[in-house]
Amino acid sequence: DSGVTQTPKHLITATGQRVTLRCSPRSGDLSVYWYQQSLDQGLQFLIQYYNGEERAKGNILERFSAQQFPDLHSELNLSSLELGDSALYFCASSVIAGYGNGELFFGEGSRLTVL
Amino acid sequence: GESVGLHLPTLSVQEGDNSIINCAYSNSASDYFIWYKQESGKGPQFIIDIRSNMDKRQGQRVTVLLNKTVKHLSLQIAATQPGDSAVYFCAENMAGGTSYGKLTFGQGTILTVHP
Repeated sequence: DSGVTQTPKHLITATGQRVTLRCSPRSGDLSVYWYQQSLDQGLQFLIQYYNGEERAKGNILERFSAQQFPDLHSELNLSSLELGDSALYFCASSVIAGYGNGELFFGEGSRLTVL
Repeated sequence: GESVGLHLPTLSVQEGDNSIINCAYSNSASDYFIWYKQESGKGPQFIIDIRSNMDKRQGQRVTVLLNKTVKHLSLQIAATQPGDSAVYFCAENMAGGTSYGKLTFGQGTILTVHP
């Protein structure tokens, strides 16, 4: 158990809909990362938050947004869903944001299926 | 166009053998490299990391070798066990970046260990 909790574990929805994925980082971790894992693209970095502020951005679509709340949990919002958004979405956390130990602790993921 | 799934390299070994998993990275500016292991239904799990000022680092039963000249990374697992069966990913982080968690993952290698 990594200590990172993601909900829901599975989600099935229709094209055009909007969903919210939730992540609770390990106790004490200030950084939260979101990654997308799909069959054709592999594991891709989406976005990182550190102590409530956006720190780094990857290939995140404009239809997707995220935030980190004062209690450090994070949410990833996916809107106007398309079939190609079907994927596993992982949240990871770490103690620090910048240089240092790059060990990320990943949750078990939220599997999104868009029909 | 039609999307195709990633065709992951596979490595099949007998229990007790040593395993070597290889990874080529593309960004010569990367200065930090990590190996992750992903078991079925779980998130990636940190194994070992290495910085670009090193060419070898050892952990418990694992060794990572870095050859910057040819941009090649390898993970050696000694006395491989059935519990080592998983997908193994190398990941890189670019020098000068503000986030060690913004990782570029390789496509992964499937390791199967036969009892």
